[in-house]
Amino acid sequence: AQSVAQPEDQVNVAEGNPLTVKCTYSVSGNPYLFWYVQYPNRGLQFLLKYITGDNLVKGSYGFEAEFNKSQTSFHLKKPSALVSDSALYFCAVITGGSYIPTFGRGTSLIVHP
Amino acid sequence: DAGVIQSPRHEVTEMGQEVTLRCKPISGHNSLFWYRQTMMRGLELLIYFNNNVPIDDSGMPEDRFSAKMPNASFSTLKIQPSEPRDSAVYFCASRTDRGHTNEKLFFGSGTQLSVL
Repeated sequence: AQSVAQPEDQVNVAEGNPLTVKCTYSVSGNPYLFWYVQYPNRGLQFLLKYITGDNLVKGSYGFEAEFNKSQTSFHLKKPSALVSDSALYFCAVITGGSYIPTFGRGTSLIVHP
Repeated sequence: DAGVIQSPRHEVTEMGQEVTLRCKPISGHNSLFWYRQTMMRGLELLIYFNNNVPIDDSGMPEDRFSAKMPNASFSTLKIQPSEPRDSAVYFCASRTDRGHTNEKLFFGSGTQLSVL
């Protein structure tokens, strides 16, 4: 079985400040972890993924995420937030034995000018 | 590449009517997913196809919902009869599976369905 939790429905941050969007997962076996972003009236877009190797993964638009196996977490981070980063962010997990990713409920990121 | 193409972009219909949503996956992708998004339930998987064959349809709400994939470049999701509680955004996504499943999904722009 696989599951994902995004504990925050909404994250508010001021422009220029660092941001973190949290994600924890539960799987049997090794996880493949993803972050997607959804802008208003659009489909989800891939940001980054962790498969294996370096625990710090860099992705699109300056985002990065850190895989922490002991804490079963994969938090999304950005050093300096932009107003244009405001969107809905989804964490997803899949294991090698599954064909279907499990998505979290999403976290709304609001960056204030 | 044009990406995953969904039509229509918006659909407004009356309760009891048949609704057909369409999806063209990215060429060469052999897996296709239909999702439904609502505020209450978030993103729900409805059905998953691999090589045009339905593999997992456990998320299909009830017999009113049906999905087909007659070939690698086209899929439909049909609701008959439609009900107001079916109002949601429906997404199609595709992926390439080449012996492993850690590839990313590509999503279409969705169909906003309103059932009055």
